[in-house]
Amino acid sequence: AQSVTQLDSQVPVFEEAPVELRCNYSSSVSVYLFWYVQYPNQGLQLLLKYLSGSTLVKGINGFEAEFNKSQTSFHLRKPSVHISDTAEYFCAVSENNNDMRFGAGTRLTVKP
Amino acid sequence: DVKVTQSSRYLVKRTGEKVFLECVQDMDHENMFWYRQDPGLGLRLIYFSYDVKMKEKGDIPEGYSVSREKKERFSLILESASTNQTSMYLCASNYGPGFEQFFGPGTRLTVL
Repeated sequence: AQSVTQLDSQVPVFEEAPVELRCNYSSSVSVYLFWYVQYPNQGLQLLLKYLSGSTLVKGINGFEAEFNKSQTSFHLRKPSVHISDTAEYFCAVSENNNDMRFGAGTRLTVKP
Repeated sequence: DVKVTQSSRYLVKRTGEKVFLECVQDMDHENMFWYRQDPGLGLRLIYFSYDVKMKEKGDIPEGYSVSREKKERFSLILESASTNQTSMYLCASNYGPGFEQFFGPGTRLTVL
């Protein structure tokens, strides 16, 4: 079964600095990969997803992620963060079946 | 606008009580999911349903049951609530494999 490891539980960063949130997955078959964001006191919403094709995926709010099959990674990046990007970010993997597995989450804190 | 709603944002129950958490989606999705979210553990799948009256166990089904009598509604049942079931419960739905899951706002359940 698929599993996800988010390598950093917390990432503090200053406003306008670049950020990378790391995600590695484990699976023996082809996968779909997702990044979700959760703002305080809200449910999760989709940032971006990889299904097939180009390995660089662009999402909402200026985020992008790169699928690396050889390293089984799907790291999330943003070149310049804002205070409003402070949230918890979850990486998720699905193995072409009906369920999805989530990582433990990375709390991004953007400081002024 | 797509929507997943959950019956309560906050719920306080006593040990041993039977607890019902309701989830409704208006997107005609085939699949519905129940997760619990705990700090440092991310989202863990309790149960999911891929059709009316059909259900599959997730990673942590013990102490929970589910019901899906109508396509739009998926209920999570705690037969006899215990303090270790204090958590945030998230409901989600999607069309199928590879499609994003849409999440409700969550129910924060406290069992005293």
